[in-house]
Amino acid sequence: EPEVTQTPSHQVTQMGQEVILRCVPISNHLYFYWYRQILGQKVEFLVSFYNNEISEKSEIFDDQFSVERPDGSNFTLKIRSTKLEDSAMYFCASSVQQNTEAFFGQGTRLTVV
Amino acid sequence: KNEVEQSPQNLTAQEGEFITINCSYSVGISALHWLQQHPGGGIVSLFMLSSGKKKHGRLIATINIQEKHSSLHITASHPRDSAVYICAVKNGGATNKLIFGTGTLLAVQP
Repeated sequence: EPEVTQTPSHQVTQMGQEVILRCVPISNHLYFYWYRQILGQKVEFLVSFYNNEISEKSEIFDDQFSVERPDGSNFTLKIRSTKLEDSAMYFCASSVQQNTEAFFGQGTRLTVV
Repeated sequence: KNEVEQSPQNLTAQEGEFITINCSYSVGISALHWLQQHPGGGIVSLFMLSSGKKKHGRLIATINIQEKHSSLHITASHPRDSAVYICAVKNGGATNKLIFGTGTLLAVQP
């Protein structure tokens, strides 16, 4: 069964460093999303991406964050200068269309020290 | 006030019991999702529904649009059903984002 793949599963980084979280969405999907979940809290929307541009972003998604689809298969989330409060589980998701079911990856646990 | 509320927050059941988890929302929606999150953290989509009822194996999801309420039922519960169950809604209109509830932690004891 097709699935959304995220790498790495766990990343530890020093505060102030740049990190790139990688995702391979399901191949025929057109809509891509990043969500995050701070430990003990609910999942929060970060950004959605369609047709090679951001279609929607939340207040959390400030200038420190960027997304890119560098080739036909990968979808990345970059955090330019990590803060302690960026420590969270980051989930990538994809869907065929805007109003179809979203499928989630296993998540990347980011720990900023 | 949270836009998506779930109850109960925690639920402990004995194997074989019928389980109900409730979700209420305060916004207009185009669809509601039920998701499962295991201790490792990964999220699995169980259902997406916008009306009526869906069934998959021992899982049943219902939604009442007028009352802004959905339920997830698990029949003949099993310890492997132990997980966090999350309700999430997609606002009507042009938005793509899902708004998540805080989840219900289910523990099924043998």
